[in-house]
Amino acid sequence: DVKVTQSSRYLVKRTGEKVFLECVQDMDHENMFWYRQDPGLGLRLIYFSYDVKMKEKGDIPEGYSVSREKKERFSLILESASTNQTSMYLCASSSWAMNTEAFFGQGTRLTVV
Amino acid sequence: AQSVTQPDIHITVSEGASLELRCNYSYGATPYLFWYVQSPGQGLQLLLKYFSGDTLVQGIKGFEAEFKRSQSSFNLRKPSVHWSDAAEYFCAVPYAGNNRKLIWGLGTSLAVNP
Repeated sequence: DVKVTQSSRYLVKRTGEKVFLECVQDMDHENMFWYRQDPGLGLRLIYFSYDVKMKEKGDIPEGYSVSREKKERFSLILESASTNQTSMYLCASSSWAMNTEAFFGQGTRLTVV
Repeated sequence: AQSVTQPDIHITVSEGASLELRCNYSYGATPYLFWYVQSPGQGLQLLLKYFSGDTLVQGIKGFEAEFKRSQSSFNLRKPSVHWSDAAEYFCAVPYAGNNRKLIWGLGTSLAVNP
């Protein structure tokens, strides 16, 4: 069974903390994505990566960075967490071909207090 | 700008009733089209996809969708809704500038009355 695994389902962090959200996929996919999901705003792309050490900004990269040192792992970093980063974060992966589906992790609900 | 529109933010149907969720897209060529479902507190799961050929596509959980080029639509349907279909539904198309990315509709939240 294919899997995208996010390290935490729920996280509570304090304002100003550095936060790491980890995502691992076991499908040897080239593409990996981090989305943020907020009520009424749908899925917004933060960053994506199409190869190891490669990354591209999505629609809302401000306040975030990413790291992809290995093909199977894609990390989202909040350098200094703020309350407006309280959200559901979804990781996804897909193969290089456009006509293949994206597989999603279960999501991490992050609360910044 | 390229876009995906899901006109209905929230829909409520009775169990056993039929369902149609709307999706309209703007795209220059015939697009690839996807419908995903998100159950409460979960990630997204692919329901079905269209690439070419037959414009009526069958998916999982008894869902189907019809691609209509003339209307730039890809509406999702189910003949008889079950209580377990209550979820958020998202339509998506690849971004023309970089087809590794998807452009998403804002989603339609489906509630099912017993």
